[in-house]
Amino acid sequence: ETGVTQSPTHLIKTRGQQVTLRCSSQSGHNTVSWYQQALGQGPQFIFQYYREEENGRGNFPPRFSGLQFPNYSSELNVNALELDDSALYLCASIRTGGKEQFFGPGTRLTVL
Amino acid sequence: DAKTTQPNSMESNEEEPVHLPCNHSTISGTDYIHWYRQLPSQGPEYVIHGLTSNVNNRMASLAIAEDRKSSTLILHRATLRDAAVYYCILNLSGGYQKVTFGTGTKLQVIP
Repeated sequence: ETGVTQSPTHLIKTRGQQVTLRCSSQSGHNTVSWYQQALGQGPQFIFQYYREEENGRGNFPPRFSGLQFPNYSSELNVNALELDDSALYLCASIRTGGKEQFFGPGTRLTVL
Repeated sequence: DAKTTQPNSMESNEEEPVHLPCNHSTISGTDYIHWYRQLPSQGPEYVIHGLTSNVNNRMASLAIAEDRKSSTLILHRATLRDAAVYYCILNLSGGYQKVTFGTGTKLQVIP
């Protein structure tokens, strides 16, 4: 039990739609990262937020965007969904000063 | 971004030690070496990390080569619960910006 929760667990969308995925982490965890994990692959870094500001971004287009809120929750928004966006989306939080990422169980997104 | 190379899969008998290797020949001086594992249908779980010296914790040991171009995760007595995909990643300055997870090593534990 990492104390990181994600919702929803599963989601089915159609191509072109928009989706919002949510993550809630523990108090004091001021850094949150989002990852995309395709089947059989390792997680790919999307972006990171620290104290509500984007703090690093991987090789993902601008239609992937995020928000972090003062209550240690965050969102991943994906616009204009494509079939290749089908994946497990993971969020991970880091306690301030810590070196360990705590991952949530993920949201499985299927784009038809 | 510095990359890591791991074998795709390994097998171990239950209650025997397991040595999981990782090559990271392009590591920079400020890269931390982190290991995570992912059990089926779960998010990754932190195992251990180090910078230059060998490290031990309740889950495993991490042996880092003197030139830091490779490392080995050691599970002292494999259990069935240790069957997972193990990822070795490099973490610049410990901040996790732009970390790269490879495909990892799938460890099978044989009863």
